[in-house]
Amino acid sequence: QKEVEQNSGPLSVPEGAIASLNCTYSDRVSQSFFWYRQYSGKSPELIMSIYSNGDKEDGRFTAQLNKASQYVSLLIRDSQPSDSATYLCAVRLRQGGKLIFGQGTELSVKP
Amino acid sequence: DGGITQSPKYLFRKEGQNVTLSCEQNLNHDAMYWYRQDPGQGLRLIYYSQIVNDFQKGDIAEGYSVSREKKESFPLTVTSAQKNPTAFYLCASNFNDEQYFGPGTRLTVT
Repeated sequence: QKEVEQNSGPLSVPEGAIASLNCTYSDRVSQSFFWYRQYSGKSPELIMSIYSNGDKEDGRFTAQLNKASQYVSLLIRDSQPSDSATYLCAVRLRQGGKLIFGQGTELSVKP
Repeated sequence: DGGITQSPKYLFRKEGQNVTLSCEQNLNHDAMYWYRQDPGQGLRLIYYSQIVNDFQKGDIAEGYSVSREKKESFPLTVTSAQKNPTAFYLCASNFNDEQYFGPGTRLTVT
């Protein structure tokens, strides 16, 4: 079993819809969770971090964490074509430990 | 202008040659990292350094070497021993548990 798993996609949603990206992780002691956006040919950009169970909202983005079920998700409301990118989920086991990345989910937002 | 810089953006080398990729940061971050990214394989950790003059191997260190003589700089050497060096190389640094990436260097070895 991979340590951090994401559906590779592509996930296609129409403009204005909600895009839902999911990530599961294998180690129950994981403490820190991150979402990165990576445009084609560019480096990953940190868009959300979440540490506690529940929801964290930042503009059109909402990260959701459920430690009991070992999943973290990212919701993008009012999706725009500019949101089309690969979204990487990353998990850190402990403070100062290394980040483990999923393979990424490709999102395509159609006008 | 603060941030993480990597140079060059594109690098071409012949097989059998060593090549050094530059990574500089002026963010005063202690921890720095090198990853490689291949299509469909996500990011894999090569080396990391949490303080000056100290570094640790990541998951795929074979064929690579690093140094950390200054806090600002963490260069990566891809040696001729690395069997499949063609990849997108990403440098990153940490601040308050969050990791930020440089723009990357795309290395092609033929």
